[in-house]
Amino acid sequence: DTAVSQTPKYLVTQMGNDKSIKCEQNLGHDTMYWYKQDSKKFLKIMFSYNNKELIINETVPNRFSPKSPDKAHLNLHINSLELGDSAVYFCASSQESPGAGWSPLHFGNGTRLTVT
Amino acid sequence: KNQVEQSPQSLIILEGKNCTLQCNYTVSPFSNLRWYKQDTGRGPVSLTIMTFSENTKSNGRYTATLDADTKQSSLHITASQLSDSASYICVCSGGYNKLIFGAGTRLAVHP
Repeated sequence: DTAVSQTPKYLVTQMGNDKSIKCEQNLGHDTMYWYKQDSKKFLKIMFSYNNKELIINETVPNRFSPKSPDKAHLNLHINSLELGDSAVYFCASSQESPGAGWSPLHFGNGTRLTVT
Repeated sequence: KNQVEQSPQSLIILEGKNCTLQCNYTVSPFSNLRWYKQDTGRGPVSLTIMTFSENTKSNGRYTATLDADTKQSSLHITASQLSDSASYICVCSGGYNKLIFGAGTRLAVHP
């Protein structure tokens, strides 16, 4: 049973295209996140949703738009893709409000986005 | 500025040997510190959490320590196995709804 699943695992696309990454969790968690991991393996928070409400919105270009249709799903849509968007994007969920840290983050296995 | 620094950046050891990974933090207010293991091609998985009042905690061959006075934590791996090859990420919770991530230590265990 996959706890946090995201699709696709790999995404290769050209500059200027629009793409989406989907994420679903079956843990019953209220909070979901999107993280970006760059080539140096540094994880950086992009967005956090709690019960479908946007809680954290870091300095991310507005070409990135998260959408949470229900608390088990958090999708990421990216418009007008640029070369610098190439990275691994991780979806995660947790039992508590963002940033408290008392409950672990449960990560998906990532989506490797390559923009050519 | 809230920061988490990990050392070394990368480490190679032989199977069966022990190693220690370091995490120094300047996070205020400090709430807790968690170690994650990230296998290649996978998402990070929590190994253990350390709170202000805990000095040492073990999880199998992994032992984490926390010194809240010096703001340092370590992760000691005993009798390493090939499956320990991964990145180890230190994450601090410091309030204001923020988790502060370290850049990780990449460990390679060679036979």
